Amino acid sequence: GDSVTQMEGPVTLSEEAFLTINCTYTATGYPSLFWYVQYPGEGLQLLLKATKADDKGSNKGFEATYRKETTSFHLEKGSVQVSDSAVYFCALSDQGSNYKLTFGKGTLLTVNP
Amino acid sequence: GAGVSQSPRYKVAKRGQDVALRCDPISGHVSLFWYQQALGQGPEFLTYFQNEAQLDKSGLPSDRFFAERPEGSVSTLKIQRTQQEDSAVYLCASSPWQASSYNEQFFGPGTRLTVL
Repeated sequence: GDSVTQMEGPVTLSEEAFLTINCTYTATGYPSLFWYVQYPGEGLQLLLKATKADDKGSNKGFEATYRKETTSFHLEKGSVQVSDSAVYFCALSDQGSNYKLTFGKGTLLTVNP
Repeated sequence: GAGVSQSPRYKVAKRGQDVALRCDPISGHVSLFWYQQALGQGPEFLTYFQNEAQLDKSGLPSDRFFAERPEGSVSTLKIQRTQQEDSAVYLCASSPWQASSYNEQFFGPGTRLTVL
């Protein structure tokens, strides 16, 4: 079945540091890949997505590239801010699984001033 | 505009009680999903509706869990004879069209269920 593995947190960074959160996946079909973010006290929000190999999703300074050869979708940001503190979830959606989202366990990011 | 809303936001139940959790999707959204999120874990799929039709209920953990969406808008997730392992946050998500890997799912804030 489908699965997503993402790096375990928590991750603690200083403001303006570089961020990488690793994500790899296993899927029976050709999935679309997503990063969702959950800010404190709020619901899950889509951060970015990519629907085919070599696509780069980007939003709010975050980027992730769909790498089919390494089955990865790592999240990066060049300079994090305190407001980026949140839980980040990598997820996939696959036609073979009726397009439900399969999530990783989440990575808690804390950015200190 | 209004997003996905869920009620109640918090529910405490005694073991063995029945509970009903409500989801109001974004108006006009065709697809509706329920997920269960245990503490420290990612959300896990429970069931999927396209309009009023329940097309996938493969994630429901037992026959104590039942979901409906009779008029293709509001959905209710019912849990009968609650057990402590049912304690989790229950998330509802909706999407404008029929399910597709291209479509974003819009999530509600969740209902935190605690079973004592």
